[in-house]
Amino acid sequence: QKEVEQNSGPLSVPEGAIASLNCTYSDRVSQSFFWYRQYSGKSPELIMSIYSNGDKEDGRFTAQLNKASQYVSLLIRDSQPSDSATYLCAVPLKMNSGYSTLTFGKGTMLLVSP
Amino acid sequence: DAGVIQSPRHEVTEMGQEVTLRCKPISGHNSLFWYRQTMMRGLELLIYFNNNVPIDDSGMPEDRFSAKMPNASFSTLKIQPSEPRDSAVYFCASSFSPTGRTGELFFGEGSRLTVL
Repeated sequence: QKEVEQNSGPLSVPEGAIASLNCTYSDRVSQSFFWYRQYSGKSPELIMSIYSNGDKEDGRFTAQLNKASQYVSLLIRDSQPSDSATYLCAVPLKMNSGYSTLTFGKGTMLLVSP
Repeated sequence: DAGVIQSPRHEVTEMGQEVTLRCKPISGHNSLFWYRQTMMRGLELLIYFNNNVPIDDSGMPEDRFSAKMPNASFSTLKIQPSEPRDSAVYFCASSFSPTGRTGELFFGEGSRLTVL
């Protein structure tokens, strides 16, 4: 079973629009959530983290978390062509070892057209 | 400061051959992860080391895969014998903590493996 689900996209938005990326997760006890951005041919990099219900803003990026619905989203305001990338949702899940490691969704590809 | 260093960046080999991928984590990081990324399955955790000790290898697909971390600055992922379905990008990542509690993994540039 896949614990982190994302729409693969592509999500196409015009420059200047708001892009909304969504993620659902299956582990009800998860407490922290992360968004990574991966440009084509590159490695993932962390761009946002959120731990509490509600919104967290960082520049043009806003992460939203609803633990009751097991739902986390990423909003990108004033989208730029440079935002075109795949966005990966990641959740730490406890392994049999007792340690938690990041489980990633498959990612949503975002295309921002000039 | 150097990031996570992986080699080779690209590897093309024939089915049945042995493949060894290498990783040098960021100095001071005590956790090291090997992930595999494909279009079909996304980014999957293969194995996780903490303080050079393998903690969880439940993601290793089968006995053809093995990983070692002989010291804090070096790890290998070996596939023997390789098969076409092993074709993927293999990422090594390191962090300060097992979680990383901050969620921040530092990824290498990846090794793109093609098995013919």
